[in-house]
Amino acid sequence: QVQLVESGGGVVQPGRSLRLSCAASGFIFNDYAMHWVRQAPGKGLEWLAVISNDGSKDYYADSVKGRFVISRDNFKRTVYVQMNSLRPEDTAEYYCARVTGDTDAFDIWGQGTMVTVS
Amino acid sequence: SSELTQDPVVSVALGQTVTITCQGDSLRSWYASWYQQRPGRAPLLVIYGKGTRPSGIPGRFSGSRSGNTASLTIAGAQAEDEADYYCNSRDYSGKYRIFGGGTKLTVL
Repeated sequence: QVQLVESGGGVVQPGRSLRLSCAASGFIFNDYAMHWVRQAPGKGLEWLAVISNDGSKDYYADSVKGRFVISRDNFKRTVYVQMNSLRPEDTAEYYCARVTGDTDAFDIWGQGTMVTVS
Repeated sequence: SSELTQDPVVSVALGQTVTITCQGDSLRSWYASWYQQRPGRAPLLVIYGKGTRPSGIPGRFSGSRSGNTASLTIAGAQAEDEADYYCNSRDYSGKYRIFGGGTKLTVL
């Protein structure tokens, strides 16, 4: 079964750090670019970051550039986001998602993990 | 920076046809994908590329693009289609992704 499972969310104080994980199963992980997307309570989706299938390239939204770092471990089939200098406005549900070359779309999403900065 | 604009709220009578639009200059270069999100759930891909439906998405969902506007059409809307819908595409450079602000669809 193709699946993404996020973990690592919780309550954290402003200025502190947190690392989220997203474990993949059911597909060839190192064939796919992986993304992080978040959704603040009652708000829309916000794209955050992408990492290429081999981990050689990464890109970030302006809102998190310089504070968040996306990485992956293809042996562990896991993608991470290290979130530093957290702010109250980073409070959101965080999703990882897979993009295929065929669709150029987010075809598989995790269930999300909630981060509260307070 | 690139932006994608959606109407915040759209309503449709049960069984009727509704079109949700997404406008942005980057759509002249890149296709949009569309996501349905029900309350408390992760987004679900419903349309991608030129208008392709993933496996399991009902045939009443279709997509198209004209100029700088992408459209998601639901023909014969059902009660279970009531949800938030988001478009997504790349920005001009192709490196970054953008979401539209979302459209809340109400089925009356």
